[in-house]
Amino acid sequence: KAGVTQTPRYLIKTRGQQVTLSCSPISGHRSVSWYQQTPGQGLQFLFEYFSETQRNKGNFPGRFSGRQFSNSRSEMNVSTLELGDSALYLCASRRTGSPYNEQFFGPGTRLTVL
Amino acid sequence: TQLLEQSPQFLSIQEGENLTVYCNSSSVFSSLQWYRQEPGEGPVLLVTVVTGGEVKKLKRLTFQFGDARKDSSLHITAAQPGDTGLYLCAGPKSSGDKLTFGTGTRLAVRP
Repeated sequence: KAGVTQTPRYLIKTRGQQVTLSCSPISGHRSVSWYQQTPGQGLQFLFEYFSETQRNKGNFPGRFSGRQFSNSRSEMNVSTLELGDSALYLCASRRTGSPYNEQFFGPGTRLTVL
Repeated sequence: TQLLEQSPQFLSIQEGENLTVYCNSSSVFSSLQWYRQEPGEGPVLLVTVVTGGEVKKLKRLTFQFGDARKDSSLHITAAQPGDTGLYLCAGPKSSGDKLTFGTGTRLAVRP
């Protein structure tokens, strides 16, 4: 079974631009979560989608948004990029019905904002 | 405020040594997970502990969940260079809740 895939793997943007990241979960997984990982703040939860509906949201500004499609693929968008948005963005999926919210992560998208 | 504090933050040891990583919180977690992340990759789930006092072994790795479900530890016996990576604990406060990740422990095992 193929793992979680994320595209692109690397991105360089400038302040004020917007960016869209893509994630394809493991086949059969309907829940997709997004995380931001930085050296200073560690791994922080952005949001979770299940069956095209946002189920949970972390403490990030409204510039961070996401959506999920009927095939469970998900996209994350960041508008009006700031230097502090430079980070590794990780997508994870989990088995439907898993009681412990165990996450299967993709390799991440490394975003650099100049 | 970080809900899950890990210690030590960094650890550099020689191959063959033993080590323990701690994950502590003032909050109760319904379960705790341990992940390992290698450079350029996403975290990979190692184990989930569910019951207070539970001990799980994965080859040379031993995981323990505290009796009060507020802390956990990871012990590695005879560390190998392949154990190098960032170790993260994580847990949901309640079933179905989002995961809170620990601050991380970066381990380097020198050959």
